[in-house]
Amino acid sequence: GESVGLHLPTLSVQEGDNSIINCAYSNSASDYFIWYKQESGKGPQFIIDIRSNMDKRQGQRVTVLLNKTVKHLSLQIAATQPGDSAVYFCAEYGQNFVFGPGTRLSVLP
Amino acid sequence: EAQVTQNPRYLITVTGKKLTVTCSQNMNHEYMSWYRQDPGLGLRQIYYSMNVEVTDKGDVPEGYKVSRKEKRNFPLILESPSPNQTSLYFCASWRWVSHTEAFFGQGTRLTVV
Repeated sequence: GESVGLHLPTLSVQEGDNSIINCAYSNSASDYFIWYKQESGKGPQFIIDIRSNMDKRQGQRVTVLLNKTVKHLSLQIAATQPGDSAVYFCAEYGQNFVFGPGTRLSVLP
Repeated sequence: EAQVTQNPRYLITVTGKKLTVTCSQNMNHEYMSWYRQDPGLGLRQIYYSMNVEVTDKGDVPEGYKVSRKEKRNFPLILESPSPNQTSLYFCASWRWVSHTEAFFGQGTRLTVV
């Protein structure tokens, strides 16, 4: 069956450094991908999305890269801040949303 | 304000006592879905609904029921809760187009003792 996974369950970065969170997906028919951020005690919140006809999309401090050849999705956060500490999920959408297990990002002072 | 509202936020109950977790969205979204979140397993889909009176099983439907009598509401029913249903539950909704984000509620933390 289809599945979406993340390579690392936890990631620690120094404040000010760049963060890269990775995700592998298996359904080549998925045509839409999203990154969500979940802070403690809250529901997942949308960060950035990308369609399958693109390979890169940039937001304010975030960039999502899509490599369809190897079915890989990544989220890059520039100049990581303490407020970026959260669990990050990737999700793919074909006929329904499928979520990965998440990566917990910790920002060190 | 566009939002998905779940109630209650926290619930402790005993095995076998029927309970309902409500979910309501004000965005006129066609799709609604329930997920449970457990450590290391991410978000697993319980049930989803593509529109009024249309519901389908997700990945982990056993022990749960849903209904979609109105477009805005999608309650999750546990007829006879068991301790393995202790989890964090999220309701989500989205529009029926191919590229659209899902909006999530704040979550319901359920403990079954």
